[in-house]
Amino acid sequence: DIQMTQSPSSLSASVGDSVTITCRASQYISTYLSWCQQKPGKAPNLLIYASSNLQSGVPSRFNGSGSGTDFTLTISGLQPDDFATYYCQQTYTTPRTFGQGTKVEIK
Amino acid sequence: EVQLVESGGGLIQPGGSLRLSCTASGFNFGPYWMHWVRQVPGKGLMWVSRIDGDGSGIMYADSVKGRFTISRDNAKSTLYLQMNSLTTEDTAVYFCARVSLLGVFKRAYDFWGQGTRVTVSS
Repeated sequence: DIQMTQSPSSLSASVGDSVTITCRASQYISTYLSWCQQKPGKAPNLLIYASSNLQSGVPSRFNGSGSGTDFTLTISGLQPDDFATYYCQQTYTTPRTFGQGTKVEIK
Repeated sequence: EVQLVESGGGLIQPGGSLRLSCTASGFNFGPYWMHWVRQVPGKGLMWVSRIDGDGSGIMYADSVKGRFTISRDNAKSTLYLQMNSLTTEDTAVYFCARVSLLGVFKRAYDFWGQGTRVTVSS
């Protein structure tokens, strides 16, 4: 199985800050990498697909990059609505695997 | 509007069975690959199972293989997960998720259901 290592597991930031979350795959996955956001008690919601493509309706302050094994999600100018948990997921092969999640909290 | 609505969760004793349903609306269900993903409360996401649009391509996570069965009824726009021999470790919220048909999405989940909670406890 492909292991997805996501870091950090949590971070504290202020409104307006920029934050970066990294995700590393244990083997090559090309750009078969998506990012989702989850708020407490809610379903995950797709933010980024194919490593760097913004899902419709997602603000442009979200940016994804990377290919191969190393990926990043950057949120530029955090907004109150962005405080949530973020997961990466490889879609290269089954079993699909997720990163452990990054909880973005208000400082 | 695309909607995925899970149902069938509840409290069940260890060793028991449950059947979860995921009813789709707002789109033509038949062609879409569908997956089940679960989440232990307070923990991360774990992939459970997948099925292709025509009911082929079935796969399971090792932890549920031999106990869970995924299926679908395209005429009813419904995805199922039959869960047998449940253990306390199966306690989780179960989500269904739709895989985008667009190749550019590289198989990302473009829609998720709201989840149904399964609690296995004596």
